[in-house]
Amino acid sequence: EIVLTQSPAILSLSPGERVTLSCRASQSVSSHLAWYQQKPGQAPRLLIYDASRRATGVPARFSGSGSDTDFTLTISSLEPEDLAVYYCQQRSDWPLTFGGGTKVEIK
Amino acid sequence: EEHLLESGGGLVQPGGSLRLSCAASGFTFSNYAMNWVRQAPGKGLEWVSSISGSGDSTYYADSVKGRFIISRDISKNTLFLEMSSLTADDTAVYYCARKDVWGKGTTVTVS
Repeated sequence: EIVLTQSPAILSLSPGERVTLSCRASQSVSSHLAWYQQKPGQAPRLLIYDASRRATGVPARFSGSGSDTDFTLTISSLEPEDLAVYYCQQRSDWPLTFGGGTKVEIK
Repeated sequence: EEHLLESGGGLVQPGGSLRLSCAASGFTFSNYAMNWVRQAPGKGLEWVSSISGSGDSTYYADSVKGRFIISRDISKNTLFLEMSSLTADDTAVYYCARKDVWGKGTTVTVS
């Protein structure tokens, strides 16, 4: 099973700041990695797929990068509505797995 | 608009069974693989099961293998999850999901 490790677990930043979230895979997943945003009380929403492709309707401030085992989700300028938990998911091999999540708090 | 709506959740005793349904609309259901993902209270996301567009291929997490069965009725645009031998560890919100479209979830409580 491919284990995804996300860091940090919690991040507290002010609006306008740049946010960098990390997802590390225990073995190569090539570019088969997605990022999801889950706001409180809501279902997850796809942000990024194939490591760097923005999903339909996702604001341009969200971007993804990386390949093989190291991936990054960047929010270029944090907005108050970005308060959420962010999960990475690998789709390279079965079983599909999620990272443990990074909670982004707004100062 | 593409939409997924889960139903069938509820309270069930340990050892019991439950059948979840997910009604799809707004897209060609048979063109897409579908998934069930769950989230225990206060916890992260856990992939449960996937099925190919045709229904020929199915995949399961080890935690549910042999107890859960995923299936789909293409004529009714509906995805199913048959759950049996339920334990407290299966208590969660169960989401039906395409890669980019998710339902709001249905809650399963085993107690």
